[in-house]
This record gives sequence, C-alpha cells and structure tokens, in this order.
Amino acid sequence: EAGVTQFPSHSVIEKGQTVTLRCDPISGHDNLYWYRRVMGKEIKFLLHFVKESKQDESGMPNNRFLAERTGGTYSTLKVQPAELEDSGVYFCASSQDGYGYTFGSGTRLTVV
Amino acid sequence: DAKTTQPPSMDCAEGRAANLPCNHSTISGNEYVYWYRQIHSQGPQYIIHGLKNNETNEMASLIITEDRKSSTLILPHATLRDTAVYYCIVSAWPGANSKLTFGKGITLSVRP
Repeated sequence: EAGVTQFPSHSVIEKGQTVTLRCDPISGHDNLYWYRRVMGKEIKFLLHFVKESKQDESGMPNNRFLAERTGGTYSTLKVQPAELEDSGVYFCASSQDGYGYTFGSGTRLTVV
Repeated sequence: DAKTTQPPSMDCAEGRAANLPCNHSTISGNEYVYWYRQIHSQGPQYIIHGLKNNETNEMASLIITEDRKSSTLILPHATLRDTAVYYCIVSAWPGANSKLTFGKGITLSVRP
C-alpha cells in the first residue's frame, strides 16, 4: 500500500509569505495528524483530524496556522503569514483502528 | 512533557543485540508503551507497542516489567541501518483522543 505522502518535500519562503503544505494519508485511514520539529527541539503535536473533523488542535501554535481536511481525504496546513520561527520539519501521520501511526517523510520549511 | 526518560545515547556492535531501556514510572493503566525511531531526515517509523505483555514482531521485541514502570526494546541483530534516534512513548490507545508526545529519545549508533 502507498504510504503517507507529503509535498513539497522542501519549501523556502520569505517572511510574511504564505505556504501551504499538503498531506495525503494512507487510503482509508480516518485519523490524520500533523506534527512538527523546529530546530533543536523535540517533535511536537499540532493537531488531529478524524475524517474531516478536527478532533484536537491543542498543539497549533497560533492563528497563523490553518489546517483543513476537506472530504476526509488529504489535508493541508497553511501558514499565513510565515515567520522565521515557523522554520522546521512538518510531519503528517495517519492511522486506522488504533494501530501504529505511519508518518510521511516530512516537509522541510525554511522561512528567510 | 514526555512521560518517559531514556539515556541520551548508546552504541552496539553490528550483529549484536541492542537493548534500549526506557523508564515510564507514571504510566497510567490505560496507556500503552510505543516505540518509534527516526532515521536521519526521514519521518518517524513505528516499531512496536505493548500494554503489559511482552511483544515481538519482525523488527524488534518489547519487554515490559511487571509493574509497567519500565521497558526495554530489543533489536536482536543490529545492523548499520538501525542507527537512529529511538523514541519510547506512552500514550492511550490510538484513536479519537490520543496523540504522541515525543521526548528527546535515545540515539543508537551501530558500529561495524
């Protein structure tokens, strides 16, 4: 089966610009998660979708971040406007029926 | 904050067993022990999980103490490709109200 796909794999944008990250979970996985690692820090949870509904968005850092999952399939994470401290690697993961999460390879975001 | 503590690093010789310890003295009765690893620049990879019984799969074995306050991940025949950061995580059964809290993990270096 295809894994979790994220794109772009890398993105370099200027401070103040907008970036949209996309995640395609494993087909049929209802649970979709976003995590990120900023430089020098641990991987942190951002939010959790169950199908198209936001189950837990307690990790979203501020209102510059907007996540959507239209139709319960792929998800997007938009950062608008981007700030320098948003630089890091953004991971998406999906799971079904309570088994181990499958993570994507991540999107490395650099804000300059 | 992570509910687990792990040594920062360890190494082992290729072909030998790698035993990675983890303390989780405050684990709740409904929480599982999960192990993930992150190989450089890739997304975290699920390895194994358990509640109270020892578990084994094609990747590793998980030994959980009877009081559930600690566990050991065993890679029976470590290879160079097993060099990675290994995360021990306690979490409720994945699903509607769960998320992974990553700590610093333990860096395993497998030497030739």
